Amino acid sequence: QQQVKQSPQSLIVQKGGISIINCAYENTAFDYFPWYQQFPGKGPALLIAIRPDVSEKKEGRFTISFNKSAKQFSLHIMDSQPGDSATYFCAASIVRAGNMLTFGGGTRLMVKP
Amino acid sequence: GAVVSQHPSWVICKSGTSVKIECRSLDFQATTMFWYRQFPKQSLMLMATSNEGSKATYEQGVEKDKFLINHASLTLSTLTVTSAHPEDSSFYICSARRSNLNTEAFFGQGTRLTVV
Repeated sequence: QQQVKQSPQSLIVQKGGISIINCAYENTAFDYFPWYQQFPGKGPALLIAIRPDVSEKKEGRFTISFNKSAKQFSLHIMDSQPGDSATYFCAASIVRAGNMLTFGGGTRLMVKP
Repeated sequence: GAVVSQHPSWVICKSGTSVKIECRSLDFQATTMFWYRQFPKQSLMLMATSNEGSKATYEQGVEKDKFLINHASLTLSTLTVTSAHPEDSSFYICSARRSNLNTEAFFGQGTRLTVV
């Protein structure tokens, strides 16, 4: 059972544009929602994370929007740059239940110069 | 952020041999470490969770006798792939947390295992 569904699988955006990646989850017990960035041959690195008590969090060019009622959250990358080209993973976990991350399927982002 | 170092970065081994991968938290004590497997262009799949000083908890479908995990100290966990076969070829990634209630997970750089 895929508990976190991520879309799109791949995304091409022009430099300066907005990249939007969406995730939907099924388990209402999830209470921690991070986004990771992974470059080829490297481990994932935490970009930004949100807890369900807020609807939006912004850090620099990265924003998470969270819709608890719809069980959806999304990552917006403003002013996308070629250096942002990577694979992005959303994830979810239940903090009190061991905090094990369940990852979405990933989105390969290419930002064209 | 905290640093998690994984070694080796890549390894090639012959079928039937065993390979050990190390995961170290360099500047913090990790009570919990996680091991993931990632196939090309796919997501990370959790293999097991290890807590310092206790046996690892394996996810369903992961053979604990094939993937031996040891978390002997608060800064080191090891994954040993025993009697490796070509189908074990994959990208193995560890992550570490200070405690179960500490939400941020720090990932190692991954180990590319190729079994020939």
